[in-house]
Amino acid sequence: KAGVTQTPRYLIKTRGQQVTLSCSPISGHRSVSWYQQTPGQGLQFLFEYFSETQRNKGNFPGRFSGRQFSNSRSEMNVSTLELGDSALYLCASSDSMPGVGANVLTFGAGSRLTVL
Amino acid sequence: GENVEQHPSTLSVQEGDSAVIKCTYSDSASNYFPWYKQELGKRPQLIIDIRSNVGEKKDQRIAVTLNKTAKHFSLHITETQPEDSAVYFCAPSSGNTPLVFGKGTRLSVIA
Repeated sequence: KAGVTQTPRYLIKTRGQQVTLSCSPISGHRSVSWYQQTPGQGLQFLFEYFSETQRNKGNFPGRFSGRQFSNSRSEMNVSTLELGDSALYLCASSDSMPGVGANVLTFGAGSRLTVL
Repeated sequence: GENVEQHPSTLSVQEGDSAVIKCTYSDSASNYFPWYKQELGKRPQLIIDIRSNVGEKKDQRIAVTLNKTAKHFSLHITETQPEDSAVYFCAPSSGNTPLVFGKGTRLSVIA
């Protein structure tokens, strides 16, 4: 069973540009969550999607957006990049339904974004 | 929202000793209490979890204990080994909320 796949693994952008990151969950998993990981702040929650609907959103500015497709694949977009957006962006999938059972997350390897 | 704090932020132990990491949370509705381990350069992975109807759970050298009244749960690692060196995150949640991760505890096991 393939794991959670994130693309691209590494990317470099300049301030003001925008970026799109992709996440393919484990087959059969309908829940996808995104986290930003930085050395000082740990793992910060960005979004959670289930069956193409955004279930929860973290405390990030509107420049951060996401979506989920009918095949459960998810993308997140960051517009007007700032230096502080440099981070590892982790996607995780789960086979649990929101509000039902334990939300066991399986993480992808992440997309490391560097903003110059 | 949920406020999560982990203590200590760093921990060094001698190989073979025990390590304990504590996680405190604020949301009394939290009912699921996992611990994730992230080795250097790797992705976080679930190592053990507990639900609110259980006070303690053990899996070989690791265990998690829960005190719902005081709103904290702890990770216990016995007979530590160098491969236990990693960053450990707690992530309490209720069924309808996403996992809110603590800032992590960096454990170093000194051989």
